[in-house]
This record gives sequence, C-alpha cells and structure tokens, in this order.
Amino acid sequence: QKEVEQNSGPLSVPEGAIASLNCTYSDRGSQSFFWYRQYSGKSPELIMSIYSNGDKEDGRFTAQLNKASQYVSLLIRDSQPSDSATYLCAVTTTGNQFYFGTGTSLTVIP
Amino acid sequence: EAGVVQSPRYKIIEKKQPVAFWCNPISGHNTLYWYLQNLGQGPELLIRYENEEAVDDSQLPKDRFSAERLKGVDSTLKIQPAELGDSAVYLCASSPSGPSNQPQHFGDGTRLSIL
Repeated sequence: QKEVEQNSGPLSVPEGAIASLNCTYSDRGSQSFFWYRQYSGKSPELIMSIYSNGDKEDGRFTAQLNKASQYVSLLIRDSQPSDSATYLCAVTTTGNQFYFGTGTSLTVIP
Repeated sequence: EAGVVQSPRYKIIEKKQPVAFWCNPISGHNTLYWYLQNLGQGPELLIRYENEEAVDDSQLPKDRFSAERLKGVDSTLKIQPAELGDSAVYLCASSPSGPSNQPQHFGDGTRLSIL
C-alpha cells in the first residue's frame, strides 16, 4: 500500500467550473498535508498546507482534511485554463517522513 | 529572497559514466532534500539533510548514489556509474526545518538523460 494515493486522472473541467482533487493516505497519525502544483517541465510549487480537520480557504483554492477518513482534498473554484497542471498531494507521516502522491493531471477547457 | 539553485539544468551522459548535481538551498534553510522524479510520477525522496546530517537516506541506492552536504549549506548528489534507468529529473528542495510543518521550496531540477 502506498503512503499517499491519488487518482492520476486526467481530470477535465470546463472553464469556470469547480475542480475537485482527492487524496488518501495510509498513516493515520499523519499531521501535515500539502498540495503542490506542477506545470509541465517545471518544479512543484506549494499551493496550500493544512494541519487541522475541516476546510482552509485561500482565494479560489480550498483544502479539506478529514483525518478520521484519512482523506484530503483540494477544490479549485472558477477554474481557469492557467490552472491546467498536475496537482501533487504530500503528507508528513508520524515518523517525520515525507511522501508525495503520483499526482492528478488537471485540464481546464476554455 | 533567492530561490533554490540547481545546476546543471540538463545533463546527457553515456551509461557507466559518473555524474554530479549541485544544489544551493535558500539562505537559512536547515533542511535539504534530494528527490528523483520520473515522468508521470510524483517526486520520490532520495535523501534528507538536517544541517550536515543525513537523517533519512533509506531510499538512496547506496551502491551507486552518494550525497554530501558540507558545512550544512550546499549539497552534491553523485551517481557512479550511471545506468539507463537513472534517466529522470533530480530535484533539490529546502525548508527552514524538518518536514512536519514546513513547506518545501524546489529548485528547477536537473534533467538527466543516459545514452
């Protein structure tokens, strides 16, 4: 079982729609969760971090964490073509080890 | 604030040759990470340094890979000898301290091609 799992996609949404990206993790004691965005040929860049159950909003982005279900998600509202990228979920485990998921490819169609 | 600097950006070598990558982290960042990323995959940790100490090298193939972080600043990752399967992007990242609640900042990576 992988530490972090994501649906690889590709996920396609029309411009202006809500994109929903999901991630599950195996270590129940994990405490820190991150979403990174990676454009093709570029390095990952941090979008959101979340540490507590519930929602965390930053502009058009909302991260949602449910530790009981070991589930973290990222919602992108009013999706724009510039949001087209691969979104990587990352988790810090109880052993203070850090794992990325394989990423979900998102395409926003104009 | 200057970002994480990596060099070279691209490297093409023949198999069995040695290769080295260099990373300069963000000033003041104590934690440095080396990752390997294959096409269509997420980054996979090779080694993590806290200052000069390698605190997690469990995924580093030690028969051919080595790394060092002298003086707790710059770091070098070496492969000797390189194999065809080593073709990938090698990413360096840094954070102020360990990964528990510190987001990582990535360099542009080194794209390695083995012929």
